[in-house]
Amino acid sequence: EIVLTQSPATLSLSPGERATLSCRASQSVSAYLAWYQQKPGQAPRLLIYDASNRAPGIPARFSGSGSGTDFTLTIRSLEPEDFAVYYCQQRSNWPPGLTFGGGTKVEIK
Amino acid sequence: QVQLVESGGGLVKPGGSLRLPCAASGFTFSDYYMNWVRQAPGKGLEWIAYISGSGHTIYYADSVKGRFTISRDNAKDLLYLQMNSLRAQDTAVYFCARGVRSGWYFDYWGQGTLVAVSS
Repeated sequence: EIVLTQSPATLSLSPGERATLSCRASQSVSAYLAWYQQKPGQAPRLLIYDASNRAPGIPARFSGSGSGTDFTLTIRSLEPEDFAVYYCQQRSNWPPGLTFGGGTKVEIK
Repeated sequence: QVQLVESGGGLVKPGGSLRLPCAASGFTFSDYYMNWVRQAPGKGLEWIAYISGSGHTIYYADSVKGRFTISRDNAKDLLYLQMNSLRAQDTAVYFCARGVRSGWYFDYWGQGTLVAVSS
């Protein structure tokens, strides 16, 4: 099973600052990686798929990059509504399945 | 608009069974892969099951294989998760989610239903 390790566990930033979240895979996942945002009491929301493609309706301040084993989610300038937990997710062809990272909490400093 | 609504959660004893339906609306249900994802209290996300639009292709996470069954009724726009031999570690909020890009990314999610396994 491919393990995704997210860092840091918690990121303390102020509105307007840039957030850089990391996701590292235990083996190559090519570009089969997504990012989700989850707020307390809500379902996750898809932000990025295939490493760098923004999902419909996602603001341009969110961007994803990387391939192979190292991936980054960047939030260019944090808005108040961006403080949440972010998860990366990979899909594997064999065995078929997917795993999520442990999450990074972006909190207000 | 796309809506997914789970129901059927509740308190069940270890070893018991529960069936979770997920009602879909706002899209052509049979055209989409569907998945179940769960989240234990205060923990991260765990994918547990995947089903193709026709229902012919199904995959499970190892943690539930042999105990849980995913199925769908395309005539009724319903997705199901049959959970048997429940354990305390199955306690979680269960989400149904619509899959895109061969079903492995989740663009719409339900609000979740809580399953608590305790004696």
